[in-house]
Formats: sequence, C-alpha cells, structure tokens
Amino acid sequence: DTAVSQTPKYLVTQMGNDKSIKCEQNLGHDTMYWYKQDSKKFLKIMFSYNNKELIINETVPNRFSPKSPDKAHLNLHINSLELGDSAVYFCASSSQGYTEAFFGQGTRLTVV
Amino acid sequence: DQQVKQNSPSLSVQEGRISILNCDYTNSMFDYFLWYKKYPAEGPTFLISISSIKDKNEDGRFTVFLNKSAKHLSLHIVPSQPGDSAVYFCAATFSGTYKYIFGTGTRLKVLA
Repeated sequence: DTAVSQTPKYLVTQMGNDKSIKCEQNLGHDTMYWYKQDSKKFLKIMFSYNNKELIINETVPNRFSPKSPDKAHLNLHINSLELGDSAVYFCASSSQGYTEAFFGQGTRLTVV
Repeated sequence: DQQVKQNSPSLSVQEGRISILNCDYTNSMFDYFLWYKKYPAEGPTFLISISSIKDKNEDGRFTVFLNKSAKHLSLHIVPSQPGDSAVYFCAATFSGTYKYIFGTGTRLKVLA
C-alpha cells in the first residue's frame, strides 16, 4: 500500500500542450510538496501546501498551478508546456513540515 | 545561492568498509537535517535525521554527525554493503519554513 503515489510515472507530450500530474498520500499528513529534479539532478522545491493552503511558491512560472482538493491530494497542472519543463517531478508529504518527508516515485516528464 | 552543498559528486568504497558522505550548509537557521537515499527511477527514501540540539544520531549501520560550529554534517555507513549503492542527498529545514533544501547528491558505489 503505497504511502505517496503519483501518476503517471512517465509522461511524453508535445510543446504547447497542457498536462496534469496527480498525487495522493495516505499517511494523514498535513503538508504536501512538489519538487522538481532537473537535468543536473538538483532537487528543488516548487510548492508547499499545508492543510490545503498554499504556503510556498518558489519562483515557479505561473504556467504551473497546483491544486489541493483535500489534505490527501496535491495535483500539478502545467499549461503551455515548454522544452525546459522536461524533468522529473516528485510529490512528497510530511507531518507539519518539520519531520521527514515521504516522496512519491516521481513523474518523468518529457516535452518534445 | 546553494544553501546545502555536497562537494563530492561520487564516492567508491569497498564492501565492509566505512562510507563517509559529507554535507555543508550556510544558513544558520537550519535546525533539522536529513539524509535521503535514492535509487534510479525511484523517489528519495528517508534514511536518518538529526536535530540541531544533538551532535549524533545512530540507526543501525547509519550514523549522522552534526558539527554546528562548522555547519557540517556527515553520514557514516558501517559496514558498507553493495545494496547501499545509490545517490545520497542531505537536506535541511527549520521550523515554520515548510520546505526542505537539498544538496546536489553524492553517488555512492560499494564494490563487492
């Protein structure tokens, strides 16, 4: 029973398309995150949500819009995809943002 | 501005010997530090953490040491096993920040 699950695992799409990545956690955590791992393998925070409220938006283009319908879900919608958006996106969750975070398996997005 | 640095991109160690992975940070507000292990095509997996009120935390073969004055932490793995071969990330956070800042990772290879 996966603690943090995200779908899809792989996503190949054309430039200009709109796509979504879904994330769900069954750990009862209050805080959820989106991280991006770029080609240099650097894990960088994109967004943090606490109790469905956006806490951090770390200079991410507004083509990226997170949505948290409830505490267990944090989806990421990306409009007008660009080549530079190709990366691995990780969803994570933690309790109150001050303990260890649990990560999903990642979504490898390739924009062609 | 990279607040958490892992200056060794890779490390090779013989099976049974000690692996020492290092991490430096610049932000003195960080008060909670974590180590994650990552296999290819998987999400980071939490290994061990340490609060800034401690200087050592041990969990089985894994020990994390924190030197606050030097803003340095290290992960010791004893004895190293081939299954430990992975990329190791250190991360740091502080209360109320709702994000984890990751280092760039060190690829550990344990040779049988």
